[in-house]
Amino acid sequence: GENVEQHPSTLSVQEGDSAVIKCTYSDSASNYFPWYKQELGKGPQLIIDIRSNVGEKKDQRIAVTLNKTAKHFSLHITETQPEDSAVYFCAASLEGGSYIPTFGRGTSLIVHP
Amino acid sequence: DSGVTQTPKHLITATGQRVTLRCSPRSGDLSVYWYQQSLDQGLQFLIQYYNGEERAKGNILERFSAQQFPDLHSELNLSSLELGDSALYFCASSPNEGNEQYFGPGTRLTVT
Repeated sequence: GENVEQHPSTLSVQEGDSAVIKCTYSDSASNYFPWYKQELGKGPQLIIDIRSNVGEKKDQRIAVTLNKTAKHFSLHITETQPEDSAVYFCAASLEGGSYIPTFGRGTSLIVHP
Repeated sequence: DSGVTQTPKHLITATGQRVTLRCSPRSGDLSVYWYQQSLDQGLQFLIQYYNGEERAKGNILERFSAQQFPDLHSELNLSSLELGDSALYFCASSPNEGNEQYFGPGTRLTVT
């Protein structure tokens, strides 16, 4: 089955700095890679996703890059703000496939004002 | 608001008891997933249903069971509860299989 590794487990930055979270996956058949943000006491919220037919996707201050050859993808947050503090999860799945979407173990991002 | 609803929000019960958690997916979504999240733990996949049929099982204990009804809402049944079952239980729905999941607010279960 699919295996997703996520690093780092904790990331502490100053407000205004950039933050990068990296994930690797094992199954080359995976073609859909979402990122979720979970704030304290809430359910994970989809913030951005990328499919295997593109290498990069941006949405304002967040971007995701995908390297299919190396089987890794990353979340980039620029100009971080205190409200970005949360736990971020990456995941890998096969759209239309019957195998379970696999989540990374999460990164706790702390943005210091 | 993701459009996924879960009830109840909080549940406190004693060891040995049985509880039922309920999830209503987003309108039009056919897949429902159940996850367990313990303190400082990631999302542990329990079980998935697609259009009423069980599609995948994860690390779900035999004491736990689930079903998806014709109206696509789902219930997770937890029986013979133990202290270690205390956790957040999330339901997520997706339009089909393997694509974006929308999570509910969760049910916090406390077993005393």
